Amino acid sequence: AQSVTQLDSQVPVFEEAPVELRCNYSSSVSVYLFWYVQYPNQGLQLLLKYLSGSTLVKGINGFEAEFNKSQTSFHLRKPSVHISDTAEYFCAVSERNDYKLSFGAGTTVTVRA
Amino acid sequence: GAVVSQHPSWVICKSGTSVKIECRSLDFQATTMFWYRQFPKQSLMLMATSNEGSKATYEQGVEKDKFLINHASLTLSTLTVTSAHPEDSSFYICSATPTTGSSTDTQYFGPGTRLTVL
Repeated sequence: AQSVTQLDSQVPVFEEAPVELRCNYSSSVSVYLFWYVQYPNQGLQLLLKYLSGSTLVKGINGFEAEFNKSQTSFHLRKPSVHISDTAEYFCAVSERNDYKLSFGAGTTVTVRA
Repeated sequence: GAVVSQHPSWVICKSGTSVKIECRSLDFQATTMFWYRQFPKQSLMLMATSNEGSKATYEQGVEKDKFLINHASLTLSTLTVTSAHPEDSSFYICSATPTTGSSTDTQYFGPGTRLTVL
């Protein structure tokens, strides 16, 4: 079984500042990794995913994440945030032969002017 | 992009009644749909996996007689909360994957249904 730990429950950040959301996972088998964003009262939207290949993954809205196998991490970054990036961010993992997603507890990002 | 809808978006019901939530994949066929439950300020917890034409697979601790799942077609899955109680109040989210049979398929999430049981 796999598990996901999001190290920061809340991240306040000023507009146009960079942000990094940390995610660590544990699994006994190879995994796929995902970041989802949830805006208030909405469902989840996929930001990006790592399946294989390049460890640096670029997603929508200027986000990127880097897969680090030795540190079992998949941290999400954005060099300059906007007010509209205020949302809940979830890291998720699935085993390579399984559709099931295991989610982290989420990180609330609040962007202030 | 792939779109998943849920209906209703919110529902209030009295304790003891049953509520049905629909999940539809609008522009793709979904062999597999998932039902999640999300408590306020918490993560999503997988409740069950629904495969078209077969019985749903429930996660440990989820009462299958209380949360009835029917995946009648490749575009529709329903979750019925039977004899609802206030502790069933939650945000229920479904997701769907295309029928390509690959585990690399992205799950596309619906907007969720907020259930409040009085």
